[in-house]
Amino acid sequence: EIVLTQSPATLSVSPGERVTLSCRASQSVSSNLAWYQQKPGQTPRFLIYNAATRASGIPARFSGSGSGTEFTLTISSLQSEDFAVYYCQQYNNWPYTFGQGTKLEIK
Amino acid sequence: EVQLVESGGGLVQPGGSLRLSCAASAFTFTSFRMSWVRQAPGKGLEWVANIKEDGSEEYYADSVKGRFTISRDNTKNSLNLQMNSLRAEDTAVYYCARVWNGLDVWGQGTTVTVSS
Repeated sequence: EIVLTQSPATLSVSPGERVTLSCRASQSVSSNLAWYQQKPGQTPRFLIYNAATRASGIPARFSGSGSGTEFTLTISSLQSEDFAVYYCQQYNNWPYTFGQGTKLEIK
Repeated sequence: EVQLVESGGGLVQPGGSLRLSCAASAFTFTSFRMSWVRQAPGKGLEWVANIKEDGSEEYYADSVKGRFTISRDNTKNSLNLQMNSLRAEDTAVYYCARVWNGLDVWGQGTTVTVSS
């Protein structure tokens, strides 16, 4: 099973800041990595697929990069609605796996 | 609007069974693999099971293998999850999701609580 490790677990940031979230895979997943945003009590929201492609309707301030085992999600200028938990997920090998999540908190 | 609507959750005793359903609408159901994903209270996401477009292949997480069965009825645009021998650790919100470069469409979830 491929293990995805996200860092940091929690990040305290101020609105307007630029943030970078990390996701590391225990073995190569090529570019078969997606990112999701989840707010309390809500369904996960599909943000990024193929490591770097924004899903439909996702604002341009969200960007993804990486391949192989190292991936990042960058939010260029945090808005109030971006404070949430972010998960990475690989779909290169079954069982598909999620990272444990990174929580963005308001500083 | 593309939509997935789950049903069937509830309270069940340890060792009991439950069947979840998911109704899909506004897309060509037969063109997509489908999955179930769960989230225990206060925890992260766990991919539970996956089924191929025509139902010919199924994949399960080790945590549910031998106890859960995923199935689909392409004539009714529905996805199912039969859960047997339920344990307390199966308590979670269960989401139905469409597989496309990850999971691009999610249902609102249905809650399963396993408790005596």
